[in-house]
Amino acid sequence: GENVEQHPSTLSVQEGDSAVIKCTYSDSASNYFPWYKQELGKRPQLIIDIRSNVGEKKDQRIAVTLNKTAKHFSLHITETQPEDSAVYFCAASRFPSGSARQLTFGSGTQLTVLP
Amino acid sequence: EAGVAQSPRYKIIEKRQSVAFWCNPISGHATLYWYQQILGQGPKLLIQFQNNGVVDDSQLPKDRFSAERLKGVDSTLKIQPAKLEDSAVYLCASSSGQGARNEQFFGPGTRLTVL
Repeated sequence: GENVEQHPSTLSVQEGDSAVIKCTYSDSASNYFPWYKQELGKRPQLIIDIRSNVGEKKDQRIAVTLNKTAKHFSLHITETQPEDSAVYFCAASRFPSGSARQLTFGSGTQLTVLP
Repeated sequence: EAGVAQSPRYKIIEKRQSVAFWCNPISGHATLYWYQQILGQGPKLLIQFQNNGVVDDSQLPKDRFSAERLKGVDSTLKIQPAKLEDSAVYLCASSSGQGARNEQFFGPGTRLTVL
């Protein structure tokens, strides 16, 4: 099955700096890569995703890049703000024909933005 | 639209006791997932339903865990008997099962502590 590794496990940055979180996946058939943000005690929420036919996607201060050859993808947050502090999870998924997606999650990155 | 509902939010039990969790997915969502999230880790899929049928329960410890989704709407997850290592947050998620994104929406989770 799919295996997703995520690094680093913790990341501290100064407010205004950039943060980068990296993930690798094992299943070359995976074609969908979402990122979830989970604030303390709250549910995971999708913040951005990318499909395998795209190399990069941006949404305001957040961007995701995908390298299919190397089987890794990254989350980039620019101009970080204190409210960006949370645990971020990457995930990988195939979309089997006739079935809904299954997500395999990474182990998470605790991002702390220092004021 | 109303989100995924779960109850109870917190549960504390002694080992070897039984416990049940309830999930009400977003109206119209055909696919329902149960995840186990151990502290410091990403969510791990336990079981996936499509309407009232099981799509994948390969990671469900069937000697002690069971789940059902009667009438293809609400779902219950049961643990009997519980072990210390079952302490975790149990997340329910639902998706429409359609479309390129097919986003999974998570409930608030049930935090289980086994003493």
